[in-house]
Order: sequence, then C-alpha cells, then structure tokens
Amino acid sequence: AQSVTQLDSQVPVFEEAPVELRCNYSSSVSVYLFWYVQYPNQGLQLLLKYLSGSTLVKGINGFEAEFNKSQTSFHLRKPSVHISDTAEYFCAVSDRTGRRALTFGSGTRLQVQP
Amino acid sequence: NAGVTQTPKFRVLKTGQSMTLLCAQDMNHEYMYWYRQDPGMGLRLIHYSVGEGTTAKGEVPDGYNVSRLKKQNFLLGLESAAPSQTSVYFCASSPGLAGGPWTDTQYFGPGTRLTVL
Repeated sequence: AQSVTQLDSQVPVFEEAPVELRCNYSSSVSVYLFWYVQYPNQGLQLLLKYLSGSTLVKGINGFEAEFNKSQTSFHLRKPSVHISDTAEYFCAVSDRTGRRALTFGSGTRLQVQP
Repeated sequence: NAGVTQTPKFRVLKTGQSMTLLCAQDMNHEYMYWYRQDPGMGLRLIHYSVGEGTTAKGEVPDGYNVSRLKKQNFLLGLESAAPSQTSVYFCASSPGLAGGPWTDTQYFGPGTRLTVL
C-alpha cells in the first residue's frame, strides 16, 4: 500500500515570491508521482509527473518538481508565483498495479497575495 | 473533444433517496474511476473499472454501486443516500496500455457536488 503526506495544508505567499509545496510518500514498490492542481470549483488538472529518468521534472505554468528517492519526496517549486496560481495542489502516487489507481495527499492550498 | 464530462453538476437529496451520477469520456480510455473529495482528506477511490463490463471496489465502496455497460460511460449509484455521502464526486479516466507504455495519467471531470440532508 502507498501513502502520501503533504506537510502543509495552507501556504500563504506574496506575488512574485518563490514557493515550495512539500510532498512525501511511502511505498514498498516503485511508484509514479504526480502533481495535480485544482482551481476553485473545477476538476483536477495535471501539472506534472515523474515516471522515470531525470529527477527534475518540468510542468505547466512554470512549475517544476524534484524526485528524491532516498528521502521519498517529490516537492513542487515555482520561482515566482502569480495571483492566478492561487489553487489547491495535490500530490499523488500510482501503485503501478493492475488497477493503476492514484493515492492522493490531503492537498495544499496555495494562497497568493498581492 | 469534450474529455470527461459529469452529470449532474449539483444535486441535493434527502436521506434515503437514490440517484445515479453519470460520467462520460470521449477519449476511448480503458480505465475509469470514481473518487470522492472531502475537506482535508484529498480524493479517495470509491470504485474503478479496467474495461467495459468490469468493475471493482476501491478504498471506500460502501453505500455505492457502479456499472460500465459501455466503454465510454461509468455510472455511480447511491441506493439509499446518507448524510455521510455529502461530498464532491470526481470521475476520471486513463488510457491504459492502449495509450502506449503505462503512464497512469488520469483525466478528471469537473465534479458533482452532492448534498444529502
């Protein structure tokens, strides 16, 4: 079984400041890792994913994440945030078994202030 | 190409009533999923399907039933709604092996907000 821990439930940040959203996972097998974003009253949209290869993954809207196997982490970063980045961000892992389902963290609400 | 659509967008039920949520995808995906989202808990898997005519239980299946009679549709039923089923329900689909090597990327619908009084 897998589990995902998002260490911060809310992250307030000023516009144009850098941000890091933290994600740690637990699994006894190899996993795929994902970050999804949910804007208010909308569904989830894929931000980026790590399947294999380079541990630094670039996604949409200027976000990137780094996979650290030894620390079982997959933190999301952006060097300069905009008001429009205000949303909820979910880290997820895939169990890579027959059902290919995702296990989600509890989410981090990013609040960008002017 | 509409992607994943969900019907209805909102619904209010009384305890004991029944209803069906419809999910439709036009991407010819093999796998489909139903999740529920509750505050502070992320998304939890209710049921899933790995192909037409197949269904299986996820982590929180009690009180729900599903059917996948057609590849493009995945229905979630509540036979006797309870206040504990007040939640936002998301449907998702993924291509499976038909999309090439496994990527497990899921595509989500806009959600259905259900309130049970």
